[in-house]
Amino acid sequence: DIVMTQSPLSLPVTPGEPASISCRSSQSLLESTGYTYLDWYLQKPGQSPQLLIYLVSNRASGVPDRFSGSGSGTDFTLKISRVEAEDVGVYYCMQALESPHTFGQGTKLEIK
Amino acid sequence: QVQLQESGPGLVKPSQTLSLTCTVSGGSITSDNYYWTWIRQPPGKGLEWIAYINHSGRTYYNPSLQSRITISLDTSKNQFSLRLSSVTAADTAIYFCARYSSSRGTGWFDPWGQGTLVTVSS
Repeated sequence: DIVMTQSPLSLPVTPGEPASISCRSSQSLLESTGYTYLDWYLQKPGQSPQLLIYLVSNRASGVPDRFSGSGSGTDFTLKISRVEAEDVGVYYCMQALESPHTFGQGTKLEIK
Repeated sequence: QVQLQESGPGLVKPSQTLSLTCTVSGGSITSDNYYWTWIRQPPGKGLEWIAYINHSGRTYYNPSLQSRITISLDTSKNQFSLRLSSVTAADTAIYFCARYSSSRGTGWFDPWGQGTLVTVSS
């Protein structure tokens, strides 16, 4: 199985400040087609996860442009340019390259 | 838009079989390019992909659970189901159903159901 490792696991952020979450995979998520299968999800308190970013850097419908994804191969980053109160929750990266799909441990973002 | 809703018993006894159903509305489970998925989350912990199935009945299971799980479709009801046998307390979790986009250049879970908590206890 592909192991996904996130850091940090806890992220206290002041509103208006930027935030960054790192995700590393145990093998490259680049497929021979040229697509890199890495997604980001946000699970807000008491809710189911919601898709934020797909294929490394594409924002899902309705996701504010303060969220951005980047990376390649095995190293990926989710950035929030200016954190807002509504961004609290647990952020997960996930590899969609192969079954079994695997998630990172999650990064809990909280407001200072 | 497509919506998913889980249903099933909230309490299952150890060694018995957990059975859950996901009802899909706003779209057909016979659509191409999607896999219908089960994912679970033990209380306070992370996400674990369990299995998925496509419109033609092709299935993929998590090897860690494969010997105990069955996923199936009911096209007449626009539903898909999960059965997990020989449950233990370790199977206590919120179970989510979700749609996986699987065509070339896609690969994500969206949307998700709200989740249903299943507790394994005598």
